[in-house]
Amino acid sequence: DADVTQTPRNRITKTGKRIMLECSQTKGHDRMYWYRQDPGLGLRLIYYSFDVKDINKGEISDGYSVSRQAQAKFSLSLESAIPNQTALYFCASAGGTDTQYFGPGTRLTVL
Amino acid sequence: AQTVTQSQPEMSVQEAETVTLSCTYDTSESNYYLFWYKQPPSRQMILVIRQEAYKQQNATENRFSVNFQKAAKSFSLKISDSQLGDTAMYFCAFMKRSGNQFYFGTGTSLTVIP
Repeated sequence: DADVTQTPRNRITKTGKRIMLECSQTKGHDRMYWYRQDPGLGLRLIYYSFDVKDINKGEISDGYSVSRQAQAKFSLSLESAIPNQTALYFCASAGGTDTQYFGPGTRLTVL
Repeated sequence: AQTVTQSQPEMSVQEAETVTLSCTYDTSESNYYLFWYKQPPSRQMILVIRQEAYKQQNATENRFSVNFQKAAKSFSLKISDSQLGDTAMYFCAFMKRSGNQFYFGTGTSLTVIP
């Protein structure tokens, strides 16, 4: 079974809709991350969390919010989706070795 | 701020040959980690290899090895005996030891030709 899972894997939505992407990890890691991947730009950090009570903005947090519901769960919300938020979204977790382990990604299309 | 540069957007290699992917980075930190991740068409991000800056010895994982030049801020990935399954996008990443943010390069698309 995958250690970091993301749901949904693919999502098509319309401009203005609220969207939530969910992430769960079974590795027992305390740190979790959300990234966005656009062609030619690599991965960029949206938000990260060191534990349930600690949430930090990343490089591109505008238009996004997160919730760390438990150590194993970290969700990303788009309150009012817009077309330029069309991208591939990755969740990752990290533990004592600092290596980040990624989920399979969610492809989001905003029409 | 940290930056990671991959200057080769696309590369190709014949099956069974060796290929080297380049990565340079800019930082004022002395203690950090460097990583190479592989993203095949399945889009999963897979850790290939990791290097700790305080270690002078270059990391090796089976057919994958790095050439870490700390003074030059260079971290290249060598893939030996290339296989068709190595076809993927490869990302170089940097992380400060004191922090938890990864900084990624823009990636190199590698195609292994049969």
